[in-house]
Amino acid sequence: AQRVTQPEKLLSVFKGAPVELKCNYSYSGSPELFWYVQYSRQRLQLLLRHISRESIKGFTADLNKGETSFHLKKPFAQEEDSAMYYCALRNSGGYQKVTFGTGTKLQVIP
Amino acid sequence: KAGVTQTPRYLIKTRGQQVTLSCSPISGHRSVSWYQQTPGQGLQFLFEYFSETQRNKGNFPGRFSGRQFSNSRSEMNVSTLELGDSALYLCASSLAGGANVLTFGAGSRLTVL
Repeated sequence: AQRVTQPEKLLSVFKGAPVELKCNYSYSGSPELFWYVQYSRQRLQLLLRHISRESIKGFTADLNKGETSFHLKKPFAQEEDSAMYYCALRNSGGYQKVTFGTGTKLQVIP
Repeated sequence: KAGVTQTPRYLIKTRGQQVTLSCSPISGHRSVSWYQQTPGQGLQFLFEYFSETQRNKGNFPGRFSGRQFSNSRSEMNVSTLELGDSALYLCASSLAGGANVLTFGAGSRLTVL
């Protein structure tokens, strides 16, 4: 069974400080990993996915298959980064079963 | 391009009643997934439909069911409501194969009294 673990429910950082949101997964195949974000009063939306290997809003995430992790990082937090972040895993079987973690609320303190 | 539309946005039911929620995907998207979102559990996968067929199902009791129509619109139904069913129900659509990115609706907030 596939599983996504986000160990922190809340992460508070000061503006300008580095951010790392942790995500670990359990899956026997070759997974596709995503980060989704939900800003206050907005819809859940895709932030980035590992196959794109891109930086979005200053955030990056590297898939570490050895440690089965996909941590989300940003060198300097901004107030507008405050949101709920969900790590998600899609199975490689071709069907759209996407499993989400329980989410981490990022609070950037001015 | 219109986004994913969910109706109704809010509803209040009492225990034992049933409820039907509707989801209209983005035009051209053939896959529709449903999730239950609660503060304690995050997003939990309910089921996913593609071309009117249920392809995946999460670990929810049989009281939770769904279907998809030929125009890709989807409905989910919860029968014999329980207090614990109070949640935000999210629908997401995606292209089958290819992008594999979920586009979410605003959700239907169900309160069971």
